[in-house]
Amino acid sequence: SLVLTQPSSLSLAPGQTATISCGGDKIENAKVHWYQVKPGQAPVLVVYDDSARPSGSPPRFSGSHSGDTATLTIRRLEAVDEAAYYCQLWDSNTDRYAFGSGTQVTVL
Amino acid sequence: QVQLRESGPGIVEPSETLSLTCFVYGDSITDYFWSWIRQAPGKGLEWLGYVFYDGSVNYNPSLKARAYMSVDIDKNEVSLRLRSVTAADTALYFCARGRRADISGPFENWGQGHPVVVSS
Repeated sequence: SLVLTQPSSLSLAPGQTATISCGGDKIENAKVHWYQVKPGQAPVLVVYDDSARPSGSPPRFSGSHSGDTATLTIRRLEAVDEAAYYCQLWDSNTDRYAFGSGTQVTVL
Repeated sequence: QVQLRESGPGIVEPSETLSLTCFVYGDSITDYFWSWIRQAPGKGLEWLGYVFYDGSVNYNPSLKARAYMSVDIDKNEVSLRLRSVTAADTALYFCARGRRADISGPFENWGQGHPVVVSS
């Protein structure tokens, strides 16, 4: 099955930029989506289709996708951004959904 | 605005069957893929499978054929049954709606999650 690899954790100060990568084999044609997950809460979609933002997602959140790596960028980090972030896609090679391993972002 | 709410027992005994229902409010379940996703304590998100509104299904092979998902269009409900549970099935279970008629779309809407503990 497809493995989507993310850094396990990031620790940054408020105002800094968080860059979270999501790498996987042969994902260059997949649409990648990103979720913010806080403990005990439902995930919240923050970026979809590689780089689109749903209504309600702050402009500080942006996404990109090049080759086999997708990236979520969070600019001007705020305390409220402290959460785990997961990438996700539909793998057409195996006909199943895949989630990344998750990245815990800590705002110091 | 669609709302999803999971319901079911909070404790299930080992080897028994876990049964959850996702009630859908504010929109029809027609034309959508409905997924079940879980998060075990301290772990990441795991996709369990989906059921399309026409009843077609696709399960994560990691569940080793223990899962069964269904829809009830009249009741606007989606259901999950997971048999032969073990402690490894202890998790927060979510139902989630994908993008309309687009299997590659994101999970746009989620329930609040339902905690399930497998314990005797």
